[in-house]
Amino acid sequence: DTTVKQNPRYKLARVGKPVNLICSQTMNHDTMYWYQKKPNQAPKLLLFYYDKILNREADTFEKFQSSRPNNSFCSLYIGSAGLEYSAMYLCASSRVGTGGGAEQFFGPGTRLTVL
Amino acid sequence: GEQVEQRPPHLSVREGDSAFITCTYTDPNSYYFFWYKQEPGASLQLLMKVFSSTEINEGQGFTVLLNKKDKRLSLNLTAAHPGDSAAYFCAVSASSGSWQLIFGSGTQLTVMP
Repeated sequence: DTTVKQNPRYKLARVGKPVNLICSQTMNHDTMYWYQKKPNQAPKLLLFYYDKILNREADTFEKFQSSRPNNSFCSLYIGSAGLEYSAMYLCASSRVGTGGGAEQFFGPGTRLTVL
Repeated sequence: GEQVEQRPPHLSVREGDSAFITCTYTDPNSYYFFWYKQEPGASLQLLMKVFSSTEINEGQGFTVLLNKKDKRLSLNLTAAHPGDSAAYFCAVSASSGSWQLIFGSGTQLTVMP
C-alpha cells in the first residue's frame, strides 16, 4: 500500500480557533512532510520530521506545530487560525535513509477554509 | 536558495498534439529532478524522477529533457489525450544531500477531444 491518508479532506475553521490536521502512512517511511499550497502557487514546505526530529522552515517556525507520536502518524497544528491560513495542506512521506533525492508520496490534501 | 520557475501556468492543446512544459532552476548543484501529475481531487503522483547525469528520459507517452547548461527541465507529452488533462508540477532537489524538494508553481494542462 503506497497511499498516504489525510483527515479530514475538508476543514472549516473560525479565525482565532485552533486547527489540527492528520496524516498517516503505512510504508514505514522515515520522513514525513507538510506543505501548504495556495492556488497558482508552488507547494511550500512548512516542516518535516526525519524519524523523531522536527525541522521547521524559518519563515513558518512560529505559525505551525507538529507531532509524530509514531512512525506512521503525523499531525499539523495551527494554534490560532488566520484568514491567510486558508489553503490546501499536503502531507507527504519518503524513505530518505542517509541520502537525498527520495521520491515523496503525497496524500490527497486537506482543504482548509478559515472564516 | 534554490528557485524554480515553471511555464506556462495554463496550457490547452488538441488531442494528438504535443504539450510542452518547462521549468528553470537557479542552483547549478541541483541533483535530482521530478515531475508530478495531479488529477482533479487526487494526490500528486510521481511521473518521473531524473538524475543530473541523464539528459533525455523516455516515459510512456512523454519525454523529460534536462539541460544542465541552461538549468532547464522540460516535459514533453507527445500525442496528448484527454486523460493527460491534469496539473503538472516540476520539483528540484537542491543538492545530493538535501531532503527538500523545491516545486514549480504548476501547469494546468487541458487536452481537448
